Amino acid sequence: QVQLQESGPGLVKPSETLSLTCTVSGDSFSSGNYYWSWIRQPAGKGLEWIGRIFTSGSTNYNPSLSSRLTISVDTSKNQFSLKLSSVTAADTAVYYCAREPFRGSHLSESDSWGQGTLVTVSS
Amino acid sequence: DIQVTQSPSSLSASVGDRVTITCRASRNIIKYLHWYQQKPGKAPKLLIYGASSLQSAVPSRFSGSGSGTDFTLTISSLQSEDFATYYCQQTYSVPYTFGQGTNLEVE
Repeated sequence: QVQLQESGPGLVKPSETLSLTCTVSGDSFSSGNYYWSWIRQPAGKGLEWIGRIFTSGSTNYNPSLSSRLTISVDTSKNQFSLKLSSVTAADTAVYYCAREPFRGSHLSESDSWGQGTLVTVSS
Repeated sequence: DIQVTQSPSSLSASVGDRVTITCRASRNIIKYLHWYQQKPGKAPKLLIYGASSLQSAVPSRFSGSGSGTDFTLTISSLQSEDFATYYCQQTYSVPYTFGQGTNLEVE
């Protein structure tokens, strides 16, 4: 049973960089069978897909964030990370990490999720 | 981006009711539409993937149908634990996008 756990600062100042890490337990991380993704949700609002990474390092980003976004992977630690630069209050949200099965098709649902971590952007 | 429009945005129902939620995509996404359930303070949980495939361990009262641009999530007989917010998501093209959610409340 895979488990995902987000970690990182809960408070970030405007214009600074938001950094989060997702640690994956279980034997699926380096199997080559999954993408690893980030999704966020402002309080009381809907879900926004941020981007994803394959364990090879290949990434897909949401174009609305891509100029500020970096997603990276460390297979030796079973971790992947998100960095979002130049944050504003609009980036305040619960950030989730999730797993997407890789099937070589568009069938790429998020089948396992972390519990989420609240990041507040404020001075 | 592909827009995904869910309806209704909120719904009141009672235990035992049959409930239907719909999602419409702004263009043909074939069958690449998934449904999630989210309870307050919790991460979303996958219910249905590929429009109609039931995720493991999800009760069979949940079902999905549709293809192309129009999709439906049906709960055949509502249970108390089903009161939650439901989201659809398309993964036909990046960026993947979600519907705005349907809040299913006790009538």
